Amino acid sequence: KAGVTQTPRYLIKTRGQQVTLSCSPISGHRSVSWYQQTPGQGLQFLFEYFSETQRNKGNFPGRFSGRQFSNSRSEMNVSTLELGDSALYLCASSLSPGPSFEQFFGPGTRLTVL
Amino acid sequence: AQTVTQSQPEMSVQEAETVTLSCTYDTSESDYYLFWYKQPPSRQMILVIRQEAYKQQNATENRFSVNFQKAAKSFSLKISDSQLGDAAMYFCAYRSARSGNEKLTFGTGTRLTIIP
Repeated sequence: KAGVTQTPRYLIKTRGQQVTLSCSPISGHRSVSWYQQTPGQGLQFLFEYFSETQRNKGNFPGRFSGRQFSNSRSEMNVSTLELGDSALYLCASSLSPGPSFEQFFGPGTRLTVL
Repeated sequence: AQTVTQSQPEMSVQEAETVTLSCTYDTSESDYYLFWYKQPPSRQMILVIRQEAYKQQNATENRFSVNFQKAAKSFSLKISDSQLGDAAMYFCAYRSARSGNEKLTFGTGTRLTIIP
């Protein structure tokens, strides 16, 4: 069974631009979560989607948004990019949102903002 | 809000030896899950082991075991017979069992080096 895939793997943008990252969960998984990983702030939760609905949102500004499609694929969007948005963005999928369901992580998208 | 603390930014161990990584957490909840994740240089986060708070028995997965002390809010990871492939960043994480709040809260990580 294929794992979680994230595209693109690397991305370079300039300040003020916007970016869209994509995550395809493991087949059959309906819950997708996003995390931001930076050297300074560590791993921080962005949001979680299940059945096309956002169930939970972390403490990030409104420039960060996401959505989930009917096939469970998810995208996150960051508008008006800032230098501090440079990070590794990780996506994780699970069968269901409950804590007993293991989250499987993708390889991440490395975003660099110049 | 829950917090997870890993006080050892870096650890090293000789190959075949045993090493213990420390983790403490703070929560007012009684029902939750604790995890250790491994992130090798390839970046892919992999679940190593998990512990359900209501289970008193410490979880074990092959060479990996935990020492879960609920009253002390401590959750350490012991790696026995360390192998070169164990070299990675290790993150301790907390996950509430409360519906709608199942996000993972991570510690800052411990970088483990294996000395041949």
